[in-house]
Amino acid sequence: DQQVKQNSPSLSVQEGRISILNCDYTNSMFDYFLWYKKYPAEGPTFLISISSIKDKNEDGRFTVFLNKSAKHLSLHIVPSQPGDSAVYFCAASVKGGTSYGKLTFGQGTILTVHP
Amino acid sequence: EAQVTQNPRYLITVTGKKLTVTCSQNMNHEYMSWYRQDPGLGLRQIYYSMNVEVTDKGDVPEGYKVSRKEKRNFPLILESPSPNQTSLYFCASSFVGAKNIQYFGAGTRLSVL
Repeated sequence: DQQVKQNSPSLSVQEGRISILNCDYTNSMFDYFLWYKKYPAEGPTFLISISSIKDKNEDGRFTVFLNKSAKHLSLHIVPSQPGDSAVYFCAASVKGGTSYGKLTFGQGTILTVHP
Repeated sequence: EAQVTQNPRYLITVTGKKLTVTCSQNMNHEYMSWYRQDPGLGLRQIYYSMNVEVTDKGDVPEGYKVSRKEKRNFPLILESPSPNQTSLYFCASSFVGAKNIQYFGAGTRLSVL
C-alpha cells in the first residue's frame, strides 16, 4: 500500500506564477516530512522539510504547509522559474525506533515551468 | 566536495550474472541506505545501515545483499539478477539524528536481460 501519495503525476505552470504540489499520507506515525527535487540523470536533492509540530516552513521561494488533521502537505513555489522544472518527491519519516532513517516516498510530480 | 558516489552509472547484464554496485560517501555519515526507483512507485528502500557491521532490511530486500565493512562504503550485491530488478538505484547517506535529511548519489541505471 502506498503510504505517501502524490496524485498529480505532472503540473505545468507559467514562469512567475505559483506552483502548488500536493502530497497525502495515511500513516499517522509519520512526524517529519521532506521535499526532494530531482533533475534528470541526477540523484534527489533535499529541498525543504517540516516537523509535525509546525504547520508551515518557509525557505526563500519555497514554503511547505502541513495539515495534520487532513494528513496533507503541500509545497508552494513562488514565483516559479524555468530552473524549477524537475521531479518533486514528497517523503515522510518516523523519528526513532526501528524505522529510524527510513524515508517513505511518494510517486513524484513532474513540474514544468514555461518561460 | 561532499558527495555520495555510485559506480557504475549504467549497467546492462544478463539474468543470473552476479553484480555489485558500489557506493561511497566522504561525509563521515553513519547512516547509509539503498533505494530503487520505479515508474509510478517512487523510491522504495531496499536495505539500510545504521553504522559499520549494522545492516537491516527495508521494504523490498528480496534478491539483494549488502555489507558495511567500512563507514564510507555500502555496496549493493545482486547474487543472481532477474529482469524484475531492472530499475534505477540510488544510494543515500546521512548523520544519525539529522532528521533524515539524506544525501543521494547520482543513481545507477541497471538493465537485466
